[in-house]
Amino acid sequence: GAGVSQSPSNKVTEKGKDVELRCDPISGHTALYWYRQSLGQGLEFLIYFQGNSAPDKSGLPSDRFSAERTGGSVSTLTIQRTQQEDSAVYLCASSSLGTSGRRDEQYFGPGTRLTVT
Amino acid sequence: KNEVEQSPQNLTAQEGEFITINCSYSVGISALHWLQQHPGGGIVSLFMLSSGKKKHGRLIATINIQEKHSSLHITASHPRDSAVYICAVARIQGAQKLVFGQGTRLTINP
Repeated sequence: GAGVSQSPSNKVTEKGKDVELRCDPISGHTALYWYRQSLGQGLEFLIYFQGNSAPDKSGLPSDRFSAERTGGSVSTLTIQRTQQEDSAVYLCASSSLGTSGRRDEQYFGPGTRLTVT
Repeated sequence: KNEVEQSPQNLTAQEGEFITINCSYSVGISALHWLQQHPGGGIVSLFMLSSGKKKHGRLIATINIQEKHSSLHITASHPRDSAVYICAVARIQGAQKLVFGQGTRLTINP
């Protein structure tokens, strides 16, 4: 079946512009995560959505970053007034609840490579 | 100190060798993940485990909860196994949001 998809795959933007990154999770997955991988650095958590609950925004690096998830499916990560340090690969992952009630493994999308010039 | 530490950071081996990558963590976890990232950047989940051992093909993952340590083994390594292998943990109170190690870059030469 279809995996997690993200668009665009690459985005080049000028410093100060706003960008929107999209994630389509696997159908039926209730949990959705955004992560970021900056050049030369490891992966870091940004934000987590679970069903209709309030999102966990504890990983967002500044108030220029926001995300929403409409209808419990598609999510959009928005970065306002982009800065060069925002350049990174932004990864989305989704997961479902396993039969034991515990979170299942996470399936990752291909990522969006953002370059801020 | 990072909550998740991997070793080695880089590993080069010859085709056919047995490979071991180690991961140590310092927090209470509900699950540990091993991920594979190829040069194109895509990430694939290899294993999610909370106890014992899992095997998939030539890959084996083990975890010792008491020692807060996990290992990823590759038997009969092949050049196509060349990738970055990432250990990540889900904290017990963390709703499965992952904390990542820095990754191990594995290169298998023919």
